[in-house]
Amino acid sequence: RKEVEQDPGPFNVPEGATVAFNCTYSNSASQSFFWYRQDCRKEPKLLMSVYSSGNEDGRFTAQLNRASQYISLLIRDSKLSDSATYLCVVTWNSGGSNYKLTFGKGTLLTVNP
Amino acid sequence: DAGVTQSPTHLIKTRGQQVTLRCSPKSGHDTVSWYQQALGQGPQFIFQYYEEEERQRGNFPDRFSGHQFPNYSSELNVNALLLGDSALYLCASSLVGAETQYFGPGTRLLVL
Repeated sequence: RKEVEQDPGPFNVPEGATVAFNCTYSNSASQSFFWYRQDCRKEPKLLMSVYSSGNEDGRFTAQLNRASQYISLLIRDSKLSDSATYLCVVTWNSGGSNYKLTFGKGTLLTVNP
Repeated sequence: DAGVTQSPTHLIKTRGQQVTLRCSPKSGHDTVSWYQQALGQGPQFIFQYYEEEERQRGNFPDRFSGHQFPNYSSELNVNALLLGDSALYLCASSLVGAETQYFGPGTRLLVL
């Protein structure tokens, strides 16, 4: 089983649609959770952290369910500029003070006019 | 405030050759991590350097090695290149103990 698994995609949606991404992780000791966004041929950029209480940043809402080891990202009122690959990321600390990021494969989103 | 920088941006090598990639972390950051991203995949962790020592390593062979300098910059070396080493190599910097990492633009390596 892969450490982080995401919806395979790709997703093609019209402008204004609501789209949801799902992600599961296998390591129950995982400590922090993020969504990164990666534009074509660019580096990943942090979109938002994910907290157990759920968190929102404008049109973006992230949820974490530790019991189910499940993470989600909801994008409301999607824009053309939301077109990108969305990467689910999990971190854990192997005992020192440094963390490594474990990425899912990513889900490609294309928002159409 | 300069972000993470990497050089070169693109590189073409042939099988069996050796390559060195370079990374300068974001100002104030002391930890550098390297990732390999093959086409259509998420980034895979190679290793991480802090205080000039390798602190963590992913599932990569010994052909992949690195170094961190006193100014926190870092190098990734790959020996005996294989076709499968063709990928985008990403450097990420952070502060020790912090979970958020900031990525550089990457070096795109093509092995022929």
